[in-house]
Amino acid sequence: QMTQSPSSLSASVGDRVTITCRASHDIRNYLAWYQQKPGKAPQLLIYGASTLQSGVPSRFSGSGSGTDFTLTISSLRPEDVATYFCHRYNTAPWTFGQGTKVEI
Amino acid sequence: EVQLVESGGGQVQIGESLRLSCAGSGFDFSGYEMNWVRQAPGKGPEWISYISSRGETTYYADSVKGRFTISRDNAKSSLFLQMNSLRAEDTAVYFCARSYYNSLTDSVEGPFWGQGTPAIVSS
Repeated sequence: QMTQSPSSLSASVGDRVTITCRASHDIRNYLAWYQQKPGKAPQLLIYGASTLQSGVPSRFSGSGSGTDFTLTISSLRPEDVATYFCHRYNTAPWTFGQGTKVEI
Repeated sequence: EVQLVESGGGQVQIGESLRLSCAGSGFDFSGYEMNWVRQAPGKGPEWISYISSRGETTYYADSVKGRFTISRDNAKSSLFLQMNSLRAEDTAVYFCARSYYNSLTDSVEGPFWGQGTPAIVSS
């Protein structure tokens, strides 16, 4: 089980934004973060808890290991308005956080 | 370029069936475990099924166990999901997703998802 917080947030352009995900047991670094915009498929941002997927802007970063993980947007941009969710992927069944809706 | 392209979704009535397909390209399909994930309207993703790289092991979420069957054809780089006895609550976009571990090269990378195919189950 993945517990993600907050469920929503509103921030200003340029703000630093932090989203957290907590696993119910040690998942080492098998944690991914996705961005999803309405009507679109989830886009992978981070995998291995901290590895930036190719093509993803460097303002996105991930940290953590074991049970506690964080996604940080260093300077929020208008195009970052979306829902973000975490994903534990080491074994089946995969589990997902509940999502965080980010607004400006 | 790595691609997963789902097809086979559509609108059906309660109790009917659908067979989803997922075509992989740009990578060695036979080296990866595969999964199906669905996302109901306004909800988060829900994992529903897994299949091992050679197809000998499968797992299902309780919500679909006994109604859905996952399979694969490595020679055709294809993944399938047979969905029977469909219910209104099965309405969702269905994604095929590649796992992180390549058993042929003993390497890891991030999970990779297709763009999804919608299934609508109505009465």
